[in-house]
Amino acid sequence: TQLLEQSPQFLSIQEGENLTVYCNSSSVFSSLQWYRQEPGEGPVLLVTVVTGGEVKKLKRLTFQFGDARKDSSLHITAAQPGDTGLYLCAGNSGGSNYKLTFGKGTLLTVNP
Amino acid sequence: DVKVTQSSRYLVKRTGEKVFLECVQDMDHENMFWYRQDPGLGLRLIYFSYDVKMKEKGDIPEGYSVSREKKERFSLILESASTNQTSMYLCASSLIDRDNSPLHFGNGTRLTVT
Repeated sequence: TQLLEQSPQFLSIQEGENLTVYCNSSSVFSSLQWYRQEPGEGPVLLVTVVTGGEVKKLKRLTFQFGDARKDSSLHITAAQPGDTGLYLCAGNSGGSNYKLTFGKGTLLTVNP
Repeated sequence: DVKVTQSSRYLVKRTGEKVFLECVQDMDHENMFWYRQDPGLGLRLIYFSYDVKMKEKGDIPEGYSVSREKKERFSLILESASTNQTSMYLCASSLIDRDNSPLHFGNGTRLTVT
């Protein structure tokens, strides 16, 4: 069974601070997805990274896929209260989304 | 915009009851999934379906069954509910096996078994 370890599990910061969330595995993934889940809602896709070393930006969010496609990071610049939520990474091991492996998530709270 | 609708936001059932969780999607997606989400354990796949009447076990199928009689509807069945099935249940759908198709989730059903 492939595992994705996310760290930190919890993160509470002040508005305006920067942060990085990590998603690590000993296994290689064909792609990796990041989702955000807000309270009372289902997860929503933020980005998919496919190529080793790939960097994608979504406004203040920067996503990177490791060169070996075993790890990924999410960096948020100047966090805002609207960034509060549970961030989940999900690795695709078999080229099929049947085989997504989810990390346990990072619960981010951004205080005004 | 894809919409995945779960019939109930909250359910309270008694131990031993048969429980049906319903999920409907409106985007003609071939794939549908049922996950449960528990604190400290993340999302775990219970069952998925890639076509009408087709189903595959996920990582934790014990105590559950599913039904997909129509493409848009995927039901999760707890044959005899137990307290350890108290959880948040999330339904999702996606396009068929296209590279990296995202999952579209419903807003979840929080089930409590007493």
